[in-house]
Amino acid sequence: DIQMNQSPSSLSASVGDRVTISCRASQGIEKSVAWFQQKAGKAPRLLLYAASRLETGVSSRFSGSGSGTDFTLFISRLQPEDSATYYCQHYYGHAPYTFGQGTKLDI
Amino acid sequence: QITLKESGPTLVKPSQTLTLTCTFSGFSLSSDDVGVAWIRQSPGKAPEWLAMATWSDRMHSGPSLRSRLAVTKDTSKNQVVLTMTDMGPADTATYFCVHVDMRGDYREHYVSDSWGQGTLVTVS
Repeated sequence: DIQMNQSPSSLSASVGDRVTISCRASQGIEKSVAWFQQKAGKAPRLLLYAASRLETGVSSRFSGSGSGTDFTLFISRLQPEDSATYYCQHYYGHAPYTFGQGTKLDI
Repeated sequence: QITLKESGPTLVKPSQTLTLTCTFSGFSLSSDDVGVAWIRQSPGKAPEWLAMATWSDRMHSGPSLRSRLAVTKDTSKNQVVLTMTDMGPADTATYFCVHVDMRGDYREHYVSDSWGQGTLVTVS
């Protein structure tokens, strides 16, 4: 299975800041990465796919980059509602399409 | 509008078989660019991909759980059923069914874009 190593595991920031969350795949996966936001008691919400494509309806404050093994989620101009746990997921090749361990963001 | 809802038991005993049903609307599983995946999440842990049903009869799942999993679909009823055998305490989790949209020129992006609310299954 392809492993996704996500860092940091937790992060504290202030309103208006910009933060970055990283994900490293155990092998090259081209751009087959999605990023999700999850709030307590809710299902994950898709933010980006194909490493950098913003899902419809998602704020442009979220952006992504990367290809191969290293991927990054950027969140700019942080708002209180951005407090959540963020996950990366690969969907390259055969299942299982594993998730990173998650990054808990406190604003 | 795409909606999905999971249904099934909330409590199962160790060694029993779990059967969960996903009832969906807003899309058809007979299309070759969509799937319905089962993803679970143990308390405080990251989501874990289990399996996916598509228009074909092939079940997309990982090797570690494949021997315990089965996914069947009823296209006319818009339902996908997950069966997991030999349940144990480590299988206690919230189980989500998820619409997977296969995007891109070659349908190479398996995008989990709509999630059900999830159902908590406790093994005890």
